[in-house]
Amino acid sequence: AQSVTQPDIHITVSEGASLELRCNYSYGATPYLFWYVQSPGQGLQLLLKYFSGDTLVQGIKGFEAEFKRSQSSFNLRKPSVHWSDAAEYFCAVGLNNNDMRFGAGTRLTVKP
Amino acid sequence: GAVVSQHPSRVICKSGTSVKIECRSLDFQATTMFWYRQFPKKSLMLMATSNEGSKATYEQGVEKDKFLINHASLTLSTLTVTSAHPEDSSFYICSARGGQDYTEAFFGQGTRLTVV
Repeated sequence: AQSVTQPDIHITVSEGASLELRCNYSYGATPYLFWYVQSPGQGLQLLLKYFSGDTLVQGIKGFEAEFKRSQSSFNLRKPSVHWSDAAEYFCAVGLNNNDMRFGAGTRLTVKP
Repeated sequence: GAVVSQHPSRVICKSGTSVKIECRSLDFQATTMFWYRQFPKKSLMLMATSNEGSKATYEQGVEKDKFLINHASLTLSTLTVTSAHPEDSSFYICSARGGQDYTEAFFGQGTRLTVV
């Protein structure tokens, strides 16, 4: 079955520490891949996306993600987390123009 | 990036009344718009997909007669929650695709609906 999995419901990191949020997908073909961030009561902001080409994608706010076909993964990383990064993060996949599915989300808490 | 505006951001209505939520693409033509529902601390659940000028395609389990979607123009889609009940209280988010980069969806700010 087609699915998007974010294994970690909640992650807590200290400010300045590195971060990695996991995302795995299960689709027949390589989908379009996205990471979004959502602050409480707000819509979604695109951090980065992968369609093809270089498997290491740079996004906004210092985030990057690496597509690994062999692992069907698209993990999000940041070398040094800031307190303002505390939010909900969603991995999403798009197979075609009319289908976009989201993972369950990972809530990030940043300790001072 | 392209801008999608959703209005209102918050609405409180009485049980049994109808509420309309608007989703506008401000600087591009949105050939396809999507409506999502998000429960507290949950992911986004796709409710329906609408293409301009045609009927919306609803996901399984979503009541067409309760959640009326209209996509009358390339810049506006509306979601009307009819005969709202407290269980319809939720966060509703729209997104739109179109313009030069059709592969990316742009999201509205969301609407917090509370039915009392």
